[in-house]
Amino acid sequence: KAGVTQTPRYLIKTRGQQVTLSCSPISGHRSVSWYQQTPGQGLQFLFEYFSETQRNKGNFPGRFSGRQFSNSRSEMNVSTLELGDSALYLCASSLDIGELFFGEGSRLTVL
Amino acid sequence: LAKTTQPISMDSYEGQEVNITCSHNNIATNDYITWYQQFPSQGPRFIIQGYKTKVTNEVASLFIPADRKSSTLSLPRVSLSDTAVYYCLVVLPFNNAGNMLTFGGGTRLMVKP
Repeated sequence: KAGVTQTPRYLIKTRGQQVTLSCSPISGHRSVSWYQQTPGQGLQFLFEYFSETQRNKGNFPGRFSGRQFSNSRSEMNVSTLELGDSALYLCASSLDIGELFFGEGSRLTVL
Repeated sequence: LAKTTQPISMDSYEGQEVNITCSHNNIATNDYITWYQQFPSQGPRFIIQGYKTKVTNEVASLFIPADRKSSTLSLPRVSLSDTAVYYCLVVLPFNNAGNMLTFGGGTRLMVKP
């Protein structure tokens, strides 16, 4: 079956802009979580959605937001981009609690 | 969630067995130990999960002593393609709080020819 699909794979933005990243989970998976990975901070949890509700939230500013649709697809948005937001953004899905299946990520570069 | 400590890096040669140890002194009664593998520019991939004693699958074995304060991931006969970062995590499955994994720095394994 198809894995977790993230789009776009690469994107370049400038400071102050906003960006929306998309994640399509594995069919049947209702939990979608997002992570940010940078060389300095490693893998950090952003938030998790389950059945269109945010179930967990990491320690990130309000510029980072997300949502989940009825088909379990999820989007995350970052507003007022800063240089430090340059990172690999990873989405993961799971049936519920347990093994996470990660996508290949969206690499964001902020200039 | 219990914090984990693992070596920053390890080197090995093709065909050798590699053992990566992880310390998790504050593991709670219902926590499980989970290992993920990550290649550059890819998302982590689940390798194995266990609660106690030994768990084995087609990829690796996980050894957990009785006190559960540490665990060892064993990769038999590694190849160059096993070069990756390996993360040890302590997770609490089957809970209503949801999925929120805390990744540490991981162990960067370099397999040499």
